[in-house]
Amino acid sequence: GAVVSQHPSWVICKSGTSVKIECRSLDFQATTMFWYRQFPKQSLMLMATSNEGSKATYEQGVEKDKFLINHASLTLSTLTVTSAHPEDSSFYICSATPPGGRFTYNEQFFGPGTRLTVL
Amino acid sequence: AQRVTQPEKLLSVFKGAPVELKCNYSYSGSPELFWYVQYSRQRLQLLLRHISRESIKGFTADLNKGETSFHLKKPFAQEEDSAMYYCVLTGGGNKLTFGTGTQLKVEL
Repeated sequence: GAVVSQHPSWVICKSGTSVKIECRSLDFQATTMFWYRQFPKQSLMLMATSNEGSKATYEQGVEKDKFLINHASLTLSTLTVTSAHPEDSSFYICSATPPGGRFTYNEQFFGPGTRLTVL
Repeated sequence: AQRVTQPEKLLSVFKGAPVELKCNYSYSGSPELFWYVQYSRQRLQLLLRHISRESIKGFTADLNKGETSFHLKKPFAQEEDSAMYYCVLTGGGNKLTFGTGTQLKVEL
């Protein structure tokens, strides 16, 4: 199947610092990737749609200046949490859809997630 | 606006008993619905989608547009079915809207 990886798997940082999370499609090219946030015992909330070569599309209520998304290549999207605060502590998950025809239409493949803890 | 409701946070059944995980949706257009599953310590993965009308691991789900439901069913629960199940909707494109999830626990 299609594989999506994330790095790091967990990170602890001090309040006020910035943290970068990488999302990679390992065996396919992804023009679009998605970033989700999941609080403990809650569902996934879509934060933004990452588009290769163009600006990300953010969901309502998500601060684009705080959550910087860069999709510089067809296999890599990064999410940078700037000036992190304890309330940003969460589980961040990315996903991607392989090009049409290769897999089930609209099937998204998810990364394993990155747990961010801000002290 | 699109919305997915899963009324049960936790569903506990005995092994061999039937399982039904409820899902209702709200969407003005023609939705595409999925069930995603997350086993312990594993990533989210697609279980099944309504347009395939398939049975995966013994699970089936029928889209009922009249009741705006997409319940997930299995006649005989197995221990390995214990997991978190998410009902997911897309109204077009690839943007997914997740339900709140139901934790299924199959007891021996």
